[in-house]
Amino acid sequence: EPEVTQTPSHQVTQMGQEVILRCVPISNHLYFYWYRQILGQKVEFLVSFYNNEISEKSEIFDDQFSVERPDGSNFTLKIRSTKLEDSAMYFCASREGTGVFEQFFGPGTRLTVL
Amino acid sequence: DQQVKQNSPSLSVQEGRISILNCDYTNSMFDYFLWYKKYPAEGPTFLISISSIKDKNEDGRFTVFLNKSAKHLSLHIVPSQPGDSAVYFCAASTLRNSGSARQLTFGSGTQLTVLP
Repeated sequence: EPEVTQTPSHQVTQMGQEVILRCVPISNHLYFYWYRQILGQKVEFLVSFYNNEISEKSEIFDDQFSVERPDGSNFTLKIRSTKLEDSAMYFCASREGTGVFEQFFGPGTRLTVL
Repeated sequence: DQQVKQNSPSLSVQEGRISILNCDYTNSMFDYFLWYKKYPAEGPTFLISISSIKDKNEDGRFTVFLNKSAKHLSLHIVPSQPGDSAVYFCAASTLRNSGSARQLTFGSGTQLTVLP
């Protein structure tokens, strides 16, 4: 069964460093998403990506964040200068297309900022 | 952001009995609702969904009920099994004016424990 994959499973970084979180969505899906879950809090929407551009973003997704689909399979989230409060689980999700609303999630990357 | 609320942080049921997980929402623009199950250190796994034009959707042991007038939905699991023990998240989406991305708004989750 097709699934969303994410790498790495755990990333530890120093405050101020750049990190790139990687995702491979399900191959025939057209919509891609990043969510995060800070420990003890809700899963929160960060950004959605469709047709090679951002379609929606939340207030959390400020200038320190960027997303890219560098090739036909990978979808990345970059945090330019990490802060302590960026420590969270980051989930990638994908959705098949218009008229299909279920999103399928990857296993997540645990980001720890020291 | 309290647009989707799951007021019970935990629920325990005996194996074989029915589990009922509840979810309330405040945004009347939500038109699609989903339930996800999550095990520790894993991503949310899609379980079942329902469109706002329906009031019930069933898939095997899982049934979701939607009461639009009360802005309430529930997930019924019957019979419950020990493997169902996980955190269950309710999520909702709407077609926003700015695009068709349909971001999900999640509840805080309910930890279900099915006792053998």
